[in-house]
Amino acid sequence: QVQLQESGPGLVKPSETLSLTCTVSGGSFSNYYWSWIRQPPGKGLEWIGYVYYTGSSNYNPSLKSRATISMDMSKNQFFLKVNSVTAADTAVYYCVRGGAVVHFDRWGQGALVTVSS
Amino acid sequence: QSVLTQPPSVSGAPGQRVTISCTGSSSDIGAGFDVHWYQQLPGTAPKLLIYGNNNRPSGVPDRFSGSKSGTSASLAITGLQAEDEADYYCQSYDSSLSGSNVFGTGTKVTVL
Repeated sequence: QVQLQESGPGLVKPSETLSLTCTVSGGSFSNYYWSWIRQPPGKGLEWIGYVYYTGSSNYNPSLKSRATISMDMSKNQFFLKVNSVTAADTAVYYCVRGGAVVHFDRWGQGALVTVSS
Repeated sequence: QSVLTQPPSVSGAPGQRVTISCTGSSSDIGAGFDVHWYQQLPGTAPKLLIYGNNNRPSGVPDRFSGSKSGTSASLAITGLQAEDEADYYCQSYDSSLSGSNVFGTGTKVTVL
């Protein structure tokens, strides 16, 4: 059974870069889309972007090019960076298998990232 | 980028049937893209509930069913149970602006 686990700093200062890693275990990295989705406290879900196992990626236009998703297939990991963060980027960040026209079928437990000085 | 519209809340007594609507546009649901549904229990990550408009993953009770028509979709829960109290989100794909995954605004289901 494939499992996903987020890791990274839980506190980031305003204007700095948020960085998270997702480690995939128990399944193949190939032939799938891998996405990041976030949920501000008390609010709904927002898709951030995906990386395909080939390395291609796509992003939510609302992040205005601040997000970058990359991957390391040799380590079964993919990564999220969001630069120039503000308090509005405070959220639980989920790494998820799926994206594009494919449903999200496996979710990590989520990582709370707080943006504060 | 569009957001799919859901009612903020629905409620029902145990055993009743409730439905949650999900309204999109001509660039997402109306363009023929599938609708998927997720259940989020308090304090947990969302879980896939319905995929491809009306398909249940293994382990999801058949009390949950989905449908799609035109620019809208619906999730029905029959025989409502206390454990169904959760937030529910629809999701689809938006072909405008180079393509994006879009979520519904979310619906809180309360079991009375």
